[in-house]
Amino acid sequence: DSGVTQTPKHLITATGQRVTLRCSPRSGDLSVYWYQQSLDQGLQFLIHYYNGEERAKGNILERFSAQQFPDLHSELNLSSLELGDSALYFCASSLHRTGRETQYFGPGTRLLVL
Amino acid sequence: SQQGEEDPQALSIQEGENATMNCSYKTSINNLQWYRQNSGRGLVHLILIRSNEREKHSGRLRVTLDTSKKSSSLLITASRAADTASYFCATDATQGGSEKLVFGKGMKLTVNP
Repeated sequence: DSGVTQTPKHLITATGQRVTLRCSPRSGDLSVYWYQQSLDQGLQFLIHYYNGEERAKGNILERFSAQQFPDLHSELNLSSLELGDSALYFCASSLHRTGRETQYFGPGTRLLVL
Repeated sequence: SQQGEEDPQALSIQEGENATMNCSYKTSINNLQWYRQNSGRGLVHLILIRSNEREKHSGRLRVTLDTSKKSSSLLITASRAADTASYFCATDATQGGSEKLVFGKGMKLTVNP
């Protein structure tokens, strides 16, 4: 158990809908990262927050947004969902401000868009 | 963009044998990490090696880094069925002044009992 929690574990929704994925980092970690894992694209970095501020953006679509709250939990919002958004979404956390150190991953949320 | 590429993409061995996985990358790095993922689960950090280190050990794991060849290898000795998983190398990359990890596509290891 990494200490990172993600909810929900599974999500089934329809195209065009909006969902929110939630992540609680390990106790004491200030950084939260979001990744998308699909069979064709592999593990893709989406976005990094450190202590409430956006630090780095990766291949995140404009339909997706995220934020980190004062209690350090983070939410990833996915809107106008398409079939291709079906994937595993992981949250990771670390103590560091820089994104190049060890990251601790949550169990993931499996999203299926029908 | 892909930074690290694991090789081979899949490996099947018998319990007790050693498993070696290789990772090649393209640009200079500060560190390289290896992660393990059991089917459909979150990634687990195995080991981090910095660019000024050549070799690192952790239990049955041995990682080497050759920055001149831009490559790393992960050796798992005396493999067990529980080592069956996908293994990813991750390198750091700087984008827009911020650092991130870039993961390879992974290598699937099967250890047969």
